Amino acid sequence: DAGVIQSPRHEVTEMGQEVTLRCKPISGHDYLFWYRQTMMRGLELLIYFNNNVPIDDSGMPEDRFSAKMPNASFSTLKIQPSEPRDSAVYFCASSLSGVGNQPQHFGDGTRLSIL
Amino acid sequence: KNEVEQSPQNLTAQEGEFITINCSYSVGISALHWLQQHPGGGIVSLFMLSSGKKKHGRLIATINIQEKHSSLHITASHPRDSAVYICAVGDTDKLIFGTGTRLQVFP
Repeated sequence: DAGVIQSPRHEVTEMGQEVTLRCKPISGHDYLFWYRQTMMRGLELLIYFNNNVPIDDSGMPEDRFSAKMPNASFSTLKIQPSEPRDSAVYFCASSLSGVGNQPQHFGDGTRLSIL
Repeated sequence: KNEVEQSPQNLTAQEGEFITINCSYSVGISALHWLQQHPGGGIVSLFMLSSGKKKHGRLIATINIQEKHSSLHITASHPRDSAVYICAVGDTDKLIFGTGTRLQVFP
């Protein structure tokens, strides 16, 4: 079985540019999570979806960040305009159901550098 | 105070040693997760448990719900166990993460 697939693996861009990160969850998983990992703050939940519907976006840092899930097999996280402080590793994860009784499966992450 | 605390933050060991990483939490949970992240790598789920003990190879995870405490043990540690180990607690849909324990095992 293919795991969670994220693209790109690495992204380097200049501040002010739009950045789009992509995620394909495991087929059949109802939940999709976007995380950000930095040295200072560790892993932080940005937003999660249940059956393609955003449930909690309270972790999205500001209006420059947006996420969509147009269908069960695809999600995007967009940053516009990007800033150097957005540099981090962004992980997407999916699970069959809520974390109470199912493990989360993580993608390999996108390492984002904003110059 | 963080809702999920791990100790130690950093740990070094010689190959073959028995390793223990601790996790304490202060919120109500439905499950506790142990995750592993190798340097520059992705995150892998090791265990999910809500009571008792689970074992997978040389890894053992235990949880005491009353004391709100979990431990991850590695028996006969090996250099390939070098990684960051992250404790996370789940309540309904979301995970709350600890800051991780960086383990280095030397040959």
